[in-house]
Amino acid sequence: DAGVIQSPRHEVTEMGQEVTLRCKPISGHNSLFWYRQTMMRGLELLIYFNNNVPIDDSGMPEDRFSAKMPNASFSTLKIQPSEPRDSAVYFCASSPVGPIDTQYFGPGTRLTVL
Amino acid sequence: GENVEQHPSTLSVQEGDSAVIKCTYSDSASNYFPWYKQELGKGPQLIIDIRSNVGEKKDQRIAVTLNKTAKHFSLHITETQPEDSAVYFCAATRGGNQFYFGTGTSLTVIP
Repeated sequence: DAGVIQSPRHEVTEMGQEVTLRCKPISGHNSLFWYRQTMMRGLELLIYFNNNVPIDDSGMPEDRFSAKMPNASFSTLKIQPSEPRDSAVYFCASSPVGPIDTQYFGPGTRLTVL
Repeated sequence: GENVEQHPSTLSVQEGDSAVIKCTYSDSASNYFPWYKQELGKGPQLIIDIRSNVGEKKDQRIAVTLNKTAKHFSLHITETQPEDSAVYFCAATRGGNQFYFGTGTSLTVIP
């Protein structure tokens, strides 16, 4: 059974460029989460979706960040324009049906903005 | 909202010894407590979890205990091995998929 799939695994870009991170959740899971991990702030929840609908985006740092989930098997996190302080590891996680269920994390995308 | 504190931030043990990591939480309504292990360059992986109706859960060398009255839960690893070296995160949630993570414990097992 494939786990959560993220692409790319590494992204290096220059300040001002648009960055798009991609995620394929585990089949059958109905919740999807985007996290950002840095040494300073640890794991931060950016946004999560339930049945493809954004439920809570209060963790999205600013308008430069946007996320979409057009269908149950695909989500994107976009940063436009990117800034050096956006450098971090971005994780996608998914969770199966249920009021309280475990989140399963992908391998992450390491983003470096020069 | 929930506040999860995790201690210690770093922990070194000799191979074969036990390791204990502790977390406290603030929201008495939290009722699910997973533990994740994150190896270098990888995403967090669930290693064990416990729900509020259980006081202890064990899986081979790993155990988790929960004290709802004191609002703390702990991860216990016995007979540690070098491959146990990683960063461990606790989390708490009252449901609705909103997890609150601790700040992580970097465990080093010295051969």
